[in-house]
Amino acid sequence: GQQVMQIPQYQHVQEGEDFTTYCNSSTTLSNIQWYKQRPGGHPVFLIQLVKSGEVKKQKRLTFQFGEAKKNSSLHITATQTTDVGTYFCAGRGNTGKLIFGQGTTLQVKP
Amino acid sequence: DARVTQTPRHKVTEMGQEVTMRCQPILGHNTVFWYRQTMMQGLELLAYFRNRAPLDDSGMPKDRFSAEMPDATLATLKIQPSEPRDSAVYFCASGLVPDGRGSNQPQHFGDGTRLSIL
Repeated sequence: GQQVMQIPQYQHVQEGEDFTTYCNSSTTLSNIQWYKQRPGGHPVFLIQLVKSGEVKKQKRLTFQFGEAKKNSSLHITATQTTDVGTYFCAGRGNTGKLIFGQGTTLQVKP
Repeated sequence: DARVTQTPRHKVTEMGQEVTMRCQPILGHNTVFWYRQTMMQGLELLAYFRNRAPLDDSGMPKDRFSAEMPDATLATLKIQPSEPRDSAVYFCASGLVPDGRGSNQPQHFGDGTRLSIL
């Protein structure tokens, strides 16, 4: 069945450093969504990518969707302590179901 | 702000007991999802409904879990009998699928029910 893999599982950075998490699907995706979950909280929708090669930005966050629509990345420039949390990608394949990756947990040292 | 409401927020009970978790989706949303989150397995989809009809419950252990939507404002997830391995955070999420097919709409999550089975 469809699988969505995310790496790394954990990342510790110093405040001000950049951070990237990568998402790979075993099948072509119709779209991909990104969510953020703060410690003790619930996943919150960040953004959705639909087109091949699409790049979207939200302030210091840059989201990319691969040309083959099988991978995606989230890059945070100059991390801040407020960026702490777990970032999930979720891909929708041909079954229509949204499959979540395992998430990347980001820790930021002040 | 519209939000998904889940009750209870926390539940601690002994194994063998019945557990019922409730979810009120956002008004107007026609799709409801139940997820289970653990450290080991991450976020797993248990079941989802569209227009109150169950579309997929393949992620749910059928022998002890059941999910229903008695009406458009209430979704329930029951575990009977509960076991220690059921300890997890259970999230409900809702969304709107205007055309009845796979949609680009985001899912809105509730705060979750933190379940501990002793």
